[in-house]
Amino acid sequence: SQTIHQWPATLVQPVGSPLSLECTVEGTSNPNLYWYRQAAGRGLQLLFYSVGIGQISSEVPQNLSASRPQDRQFILSSKKLLLSDSGFYLCAWSLLHRLLNTEAFFGQGTRLTVV
Amino acid sequence: ELKVEQNPLFLSMQEGKNYTIYCNYSTTSDRLYWYRQDPGKSLESLFVLLSNGAVKQEGRLMASLDTKARLSTLHITAAVHDLSATYFCAGKPGGYNKLIFGAGTRLAVHP
Repeated sequence: SQTIHQWPATLVQPVGSPLSLECTVEGTSNPNLYWYRQAAGRGLQLLFYSVGIGQISSEVPQNLSASRPQDRQFILSSKKLLLSDSGFYLCAWSLLHRLLNTEAFFGQGTRLTVV
Repeated sequence: ELKVEQNPLFLSMQEGKNYTIYCNYSTTSDRLYWYRQDPGKSLESLFVLLSNGAVKQEGRLMASLDTKARLSTLHITAAVHDLSATYFCAGKPGGYNKLIFGAGTRLAVHP
């Protein structure tokens, strides 16, 4: 069966510090990978998605970047965090490009607080 | 660009009552999804609706899709406290392997 791991679960970082969040998927190959952000009490905003190694689509211009160095690894980064980067970050995977009747599956999320 | 709108954004329900959450989307969506999120937790998939007229049911929840009206509904029957959560709908823009989410409907079921 497929599993998705996302870490850390919580993170408190000072303004101006770097960020690296990691997400890995097991039990499948060539998944689509996604990073979403959820501000407190708000909906999900798609930040980045990737359909393959080294292929990143950026949905919203911002202070963040994403990389996919391996097939099942997706990394969200920032060189200098802003207060507005605080939120709940969710990684997800899907096989939408191969299977019609499938959905996206989410990791447990990282709660980031920038202070 | 696909936009997904949900209403209401907040719903306070009495146990035992029925209600419907609406999800409208702006352009063609290959399919429509419903997710549930408990406070502080991740998202759990509820339904995937693939075609016009699709209806799926699980327990007290029933989802339907009308692609001509660009509308999906999530109907709650005889609400119980355990259904208290935030419910999201999401669409998939044609030609893209991504999901665009609505703002979510926060459901609170009280005695």
